[in-house]
Amino acid sequence: AAGVIQSPRHLIKEKRETATLKCYPIPRHDTVYWYQQGPGQDPQFLISFYEKMQSDKGSIPDRFSAQQFSDYHSELNMSSLELGDSALYFCASSFTYNEQFFGPGTRLTVL
Amino acid sequence: DAKTTQPPSMDCAEGRAANLPCNHSTISGNEYVYWYRQIHSQGPQYIIHGLKNNETNEMASLIITEDRKSSTLILPHATLRDTAVYYCIGNTGNQFYFGTGTSLTVIP
Repeated sequence: AAGVIQSPRHLIKEKRETATLKCYPIPRHDTVYWYQQGPGQDPQFLISFYEKMQSDKGSIPDRFSAQQFSDYHSELNMSSLELGDSALYFCASSFTYNEQFFGPGTRLTVL
Repeated sequence: DAKTTQPPSMDCAEGRAANLPCNHSTISGNEYVYWYRQIHSQGPQYIIHGLKNNETNEMASLIITEDRKSSTLILPHATLRDTAVYYCIGNTGNQFYFGTGTSLTVIP
């Protein structure tokens, strides 16, 4: 069965650079969620989209923004990167608000 | 969303049933109880969810108390590949708030 696809899987950036993470949900899923998991931490909800509209917002820094496109894929844009942004970033998708299926994650390292 | 409480760690012998408890005493009437697990930095994996009735699928069983203040995830025959952090999440359908979870170690 098709799963959530995230790209890139690994990303290395310098401080103050920008990064864009992409998420391709499971076909026919209309809701996308973004989570951040720091080293040794539990996943923290950042933001979600339902039918291309932002549906909920968690602990997402103002330096980050995200959107969901007409084909339902989503991008998380991160600017002015800080060392503390180094983390695993997971995308999940669901059909409306049913169980969420997570992607393999993008590991971001900020040097 | 309900705050959930789980023991930080548990051991289980391979082949035996693993029973993972979760307290969610503040859960509201329309909140589902979801269980996920995460195997070392992989994406969290959906296991099972329920509202009031006990549920069973090919991975596990979920037993929810009648007052819905707690639940137990049962892995009937634990294998080494079940070693993971297990998260119990109370959710009305949108964002998930992961607690600290239970680190389950299956011992040969």
